[in-house]
Amino acid sequence: NAGVTQTPKFRVLKTGQSMTLLCAQDMNHEYMYWYRQDPGMGLRLIHYSVGEGTTAKGEVPDGYNVSRLKKQNFLLGLESAAPSQTSVYFCASSYAGPGANVLTFGAGSRLTVL
Amino acid sequence: AQKITQTQPGMFVQEKEAVTLDCTYDTSDPSYGLFWYKQPSSGEMIFLIYQGSYDQQNATEGRYSLNFQKARKSANLVISASQLGDSAMYFCAMREGYTSNSGYALNFGKGTSLLVTP
Repeated sequence: NAGVTQTPKFRVLKTGQSMTLLCAQDMNHEYMYWYRQDPGMGLRLIHYSVGEGTTAKGEVPDGYNVSRLKKQNFLLGLESAAPSQTSVYFCASSYAGPGANVLTFGAGSRLTVL
Repeated sequence: AQKITQTQPGMFVQEKEAVTLDCTYDTSDPSYGLFWYKQPSSGEMIFLIYQGSYDQQNATEGRYSLNFQKARKSANLVISASQLGDSAMYFCAMREGYTSNSGYALNFGKGTSLLVTP
């Protein structure tokens, strides 16, 4: 089983270009998340979704949009990329609710904005 | 305010020795969970261990144990008998109750880089 798959793994953009990162999970998880990881900053939550058709903003949502049209997919969009969005992006998923529901992460997508 | 604090940016340990990675947290929620993840140089995030706020005993998973001191709000990771393959970045994270700006997402610390030397 694949778990959480992110595409693409690497991408270089020019300032102002747009792109979409795709996250797909095959574990029937209700919750999905997008994080970004910058050196010395840990992982910061961009957006999350608690179910198909619902999304919500996290800690650092500006400049990003998301959609969850199907339960297994969570898309992260950059409408007009900026150099400050150069980062490694991680998608994660989990079962619903609190407690010991472990987040399963994808392998990450490294984005460079020139 | 930072909810998870990892004060050790980098640590060294000799192979076969034990090492403790520090983590303190800040929450007023009585129900919360604490997690540790490992990130090797290849970049993936690997779940190591979980401790619930109501768990009476410290969590253990093989060579990993979590030293949970609730009153001090600390959740230190102890790795026994370190191996070269333990060299990685380690992240402490916390899940609190549902909030509108995080759902049940994990709040991560900035990480500790561990290097295991021969």
